[in-house]
Amino acid sequence: RKEVEQDPGPFNVPEGATVAFNCTYSNSASQSFFWYRQDCRKEPKLLMSVYSSGNEDGRFTAQLNRASQYISLLIRDSKLSDSATYLCVVGFGNQFYFGTGTSLTVIP
Amino acid sequence: EPEVTQTPSHQVTQMGQEVILRCVPISNHLYFYWYRQILGQKVEFLVSFYNNEISEKSEIFDDQFSVERPDGSNFTLKIRSTKLEDSAMYFCASSPGLAVLGTQYFGPGTRLTVL
Repeated sequence: RKEVEQDPGPFNVPEGATVAFNCTYSNSASQSFFWYRQDCRKEPKLLMSVYSSGNEDGRFTAQLNRASQYISLLIRDSKLSDSATYLCVVGFGNQFYFGTGTSLTVIP
Repeated sequence: EPEVTQTPSHQVTQMGQEVILRCVPISNHLYFYWYRQILGQKVEFLVSFYNNEISEKSEIFDDQFSVERPDGSNFTLKIRSTKLEDSAMYFCASSPGLAVLGTQYFGPGTRLTVL
């Protein structure tokens, strides 16, 4: 049973493009939701927490649909520096489940 | 900016040997975590630690593993008798409160290679 599922990609997009990632989770009692980014062979870094009301941070918008157990991340106006693997993370209590990640490459 | 540190950055060991991976969490944080990431695979939760005891642990965290906070600053992960399949990147993380409410900060990781 996969707790958190993501399309692994890769997504190759030109600079300036808008790209969307999706994630589904299996535990309906999950309590917390995050997007992290991970650069090659580096540690995960928090991008943003995800709330049912949706939240935006600059070019990044995250949405949570609890009924469908679905989380999304939208990146607008992609930059070269956005190239990374994007990890969907779901928490229950003090235990956290990571998706396999979606690879993004932004092309000049 | 305060950060989580981990030592060593790379540990090579022989199968069957014991290893201790060390972490220094951010000083005012209360919750501590260990994760592992086998090359090319997802990050996997191992254990969370609060108030000097294990808070939660995954199925991976069997009797071969133990954690300890031996003093006020270090947080260690011990693997008693390493197996080839323990080769992975091990990340330590800390958070100021329950991570469901906020951010976990990750250390740079220790790459463990078991030969």
